[in-house]
Amino acid sequence: DTGVSQDPRHKITKRGQNVTFRCDPISEHNRLYWYRQTLGQGPEFLTYFQNEAQLEKSRLLSDRFSAERPKGSFSTLEIQRTEQGDSAMYLCASSLIGTSGRQETQYFGPGTRLLVL
Amino acid sequence: AQSVTQLDSQVPVFEEAPVELRCNYSSSVSVYLFWYVQYPNQGLQLLLKYLSGSTLVKGINGFEAEFNKSQTSFHLRKPSVHISDTAEYFCAVSEPWGAQKLVFGQGTRLTINP
Repeated sequence: DTGVSQDPRHKITKRGQNVTFRCDPISEHNRLYWYRQTLGQGPEFLTYFQNEAQLEKSRLLSDRFSAERPKGSFSTLEIQRTEQGDSAMYLCASSLIGTSGRQETQYFGPGTRLLVL
Repeated sequence: AQSVTQLDSQVPVFEEAPVELRCNYSSSVSVYLFWYVQYPNQGLQLLLKYLSGSTLVKGINGFEAEFNKSQTSFHLRKPSVHISDTAEYFCAVSEPWGAQKLVFGQGTRLTINP
């Protein structure tokens, strides 16, 4: 168990460019969450997957954002036509939902810090 | 919908002193409660969690928290802090079913002075 990993750790891009982030969850975890954290704030929920199905998207997730989790393993978060307001830390978390339907702990990755110039 | 309020944005304390970080939540349903710690430029690490049962929860690094349903609070305490406890601390809630997404407070920056 190597924990949740995210790549890249840092990304600097120019306004209007597209960026893609990757998250590799803990191997047996069936749930995967994306959160966004802006400076001085707590993380805010963006979206989550159970296996390969994307089950909920926050209103924060504009049409420029898309997330996938093919085959229920790693996930990608793409931002198209980036804006300066997209600058934030993007955090991924994974958890295991058992037959009870309840999870106990979300384990977080180190995050990808995005700066849009 | 749930919400979390962390009453102090910054808490400075001296090394070896006790500390309490306050957290209040609002929810119309039962919730799970969590405290996470974030060191600079890192992700979040779980300190402790309350799911059910005993209202006093012990976590890692000597931290503990007490769930008070009547006051809708989940304050974090440590009897004696160390320089290495300097970090940002986040209180969070989730529903125990469905999406179970975490709703976080704004965070409390704990600064330990020698």
